[in-house]
Amino acid sequence: GAVVSQHPSRVICKSGTSVKIECRSLDFQATTMFWYRQFPKQSLMLMATSNEGSKATYEQGVEKDKFLINHASLTLSTLTVTSAHPEDSSFYICSARISLGQTKETQYFGPGTRLLVL
Amino acid sequence: GDSVTQMEGPVTLSEEAFLTINCTYTATGYPSLFWYVQYPGEGLQLLLKATKADDKGSNKGFEATYRKETTSFHLEKGSVQVSDSAVYFCALSDYGGSQGNLIFGKGTKLSVKP
Repeated sequence: GAVVSQHPSRVICKSGTSVKIECRSLDFQATTMFWYRQFPKQSLMLMATSNEGSKATYEQGVEKDKFLINHASLTLSTLTVTSAHPEDSSFYICSARISLGQTKETQYFGPGTRLLVL
Repeated sequence: GDSVTQMEGPVTLSEEAFLTINCTYTATGYPSLFWYVQYPGEGLQLLLKATKADDKGSNKGFEATYRKETTSFHLEKGSVQVSDSAVYFCALSDYGGSQGNLIFGKGTKLSVKP
């Protein structure tokens, strides 16, 4: 099946710094990419939806200036956590969606990035 | 709003045991229902899905039936294997039959012992 990669898999940073996470679709072009956040023993929560070449759509309660999303190409989306704080520590997961036809779309998930802010 | 509730884990079973992971949902519309599996170190993979009431999704020996009357989509497998050890997520989407705008349960970790 289609493969989605994330880089880095783990990152530790100091409070106040910015961290960029990349999400790549390796063997297909993704019309839409999603970014999720998962706290320990919690559900995956959708943060934002991004379409190539347009601004991301953020879910209610997600600060767009805090979590910058850039979907510059059909194979790459980046999430930048700006001025990270310890409460931003979490597991961030991306997914990429391709259109297989008019009525069927399939979403593929990356392995996730563990962020720890000290 | 829409939500998904699934049984908390971890669930530990012996090989060849019967598996049930309960999942119930709350939705205002007519959602599609999904089970995803996440093996260690890998991304979530779609395991099976059902798009309307009474549909049964099945894959790799796993089954789940869309029960509108009980708003449930319980995952079952008759005989688990060690290789089934993973985290299982129940999810819903009210975006037609696609997997857009998914709402996930918290996940249930399954460990199968030889």
